[in-house]
Amino acid sequence: AQSVTQLDSHVSVSEGTPVLLRCNYSSSYSPSLFWYVQHPNKGLQLLLKYTSAATLVKGINGFEAEFKKSETSFHLTKPSAHMSDAAEYFCVVSDARGGSSNTGKLIFGQGTTLQVKP
Amino acid sequence: SAVISQKPSRDICQRGTSLTIQCQVDSQVTMMFWYRQQPGQSLTLIATANQGSEATYESGFVIDKFPISRPNLTFSTLTVSNMSPEDSSIYLCSVGRQGANYGYTFGSGTRLTVV
Repeated sequence: AQSVTQLDSHVSVSEGTPVLLRCNYSSSYSPSLFWYVQHPNKGLQLLLKYTSAATLVKGINGFEAEFKKSETSFHLTKPSAHMSDAAEYFCVVSDARGGSSNTGKLIFGQGTTLQVKP
Repeated sequence: SAVISQKPSRDICQRGTSLTIQCQVDSQVTMMFWYRQQPGQSLTLIATANQGSEATYESGFVIDKFPISRPNLTFSTLTVSNMSPEDSSIYLCSVGRQGANYGYTFGSGTRLTVV
């Protein structure tokens, strides 16, 4: 069975300071992992994904995440927060890598609300 | 990536009635899913919409309450039946691609309020 735990329900940072959103996963398979962002009253936007290639994944808007198998973690980071980064962030795990023998279901973490203070 | 058109974007419905949500994709996709996002919560998978056969429901969701159709590889509907205020949520359609372009796209969602 798969699961994902976002360790912080709420993170507050000052504009211009680094962002760290923590995510741990559990999977019986070699997982695929994603980070999505949801701005208020907006749809889900993919930030980045890990699918067994490079363990350090670079995404949009300066975000990146590192897959650490030994720690079962996939933490999201950004060197310098911007006011527009304030949103809800979801860490997501899937058993699908693009093959045909898996369900493709996504399991979402509970979300982390990122607040960016001026 | 695929472009999803989900309708309606929002609705306010009377309890006891039903609402059908449509999800149209601009290309053929193998994987299609329906999710629910209750107020202030994360997303929960309702079911996998299977083309030409009955949907596969997750624990806690049943066909009588959430009937799903998927007549082809570009279209699916989710019906929320006999609604109660507890069904007030955002319902999202998602499609997945396999192979080299592996990934998932989400519709903009249907914000449902039951009064």
